[in-house]
Amino acid sequence: DAKTTQPNSMESNEEEPVHLPCNHSTISGTDYIHWYRQLPSQGPEYVIHGLTSNVNNRMASLAIAEDRKSSTLILHRATLRDAAVYYCIPSMYSGGGADGLTFGKGTHLIIQP
Amino acid sequence: NAGVTQTPKFQVLKTGQSMTLQCAQDMNHEYMSWYRQDPGMGLRLIHYSVGAGITDQGEVPNGYNVSRSTTEDFPLRLLSAAPSQTSVYFCASSYQAPDSQASGELFFGEGSRLTVL
Repeated sequence: DAKTTQPNSMESNEEEPVHLPCNHSTISGTDYIHWYRQLPSQGPEYVIHGLTSNVNNRMASLAIAEDRKSSTLILHRATLRDAAVYYCIPSMYSGGGADGLTFGKGTHLIIQP
Repeated sequence: NAGVTQTPKFQVLKTGQSMTLQCAQDMNHEYMSWYRQDPGMGLRLIHYSVGAGITDQGEVPNGYNVSRSTTEDFPLRLLSAAPSQTSVYFCASSYQAPDSQASGELFFGEGSRLTVL
């Protein structure tokens, strides 16, 4: 599995955009980039995933660098409910995958009112 | 839809006792898995299953047994609990295309908090 580097924590203000970076310089050319988040005392939940081009959904946007060595999860307008640990996970599978996704320590996002 | 349901939510065991953590999903997902999460750590894969009758080991399988007799259920058994198994356990499921790498997003349960004294 590709190794990832994420900031331990980030802080942002409510209603402002948040850019969460992830470095995955050893990613394989066919690995997908998944993002999950874990709200306090809950199980992780899917946020978004992509392969090469930028992706948007109702929760967030994913910007993937042209060389695919890094990506950025963008929350367009943070709310208090977005306070969570965000995990960036490269995987050869488009989803859960046979041998699972490897969750590192992630980035603890703090949202200030 | 209930999604992924885990029981019990909390459990305290004494060293050497056995118990089963239950996991059920109502989404007809082929793939199911168990993770554990220790304080300040990411999730580590214990066991997984790509369909009824098929199970395999993950990163930290020692001390745990699983079986998959139906698509819906994937119980995790601790045969002789140890304090090192104190953790929060998460069950997850996803769609898995047969004979393909194509799969869907993982859906997680709310977790089962286990303390072994």
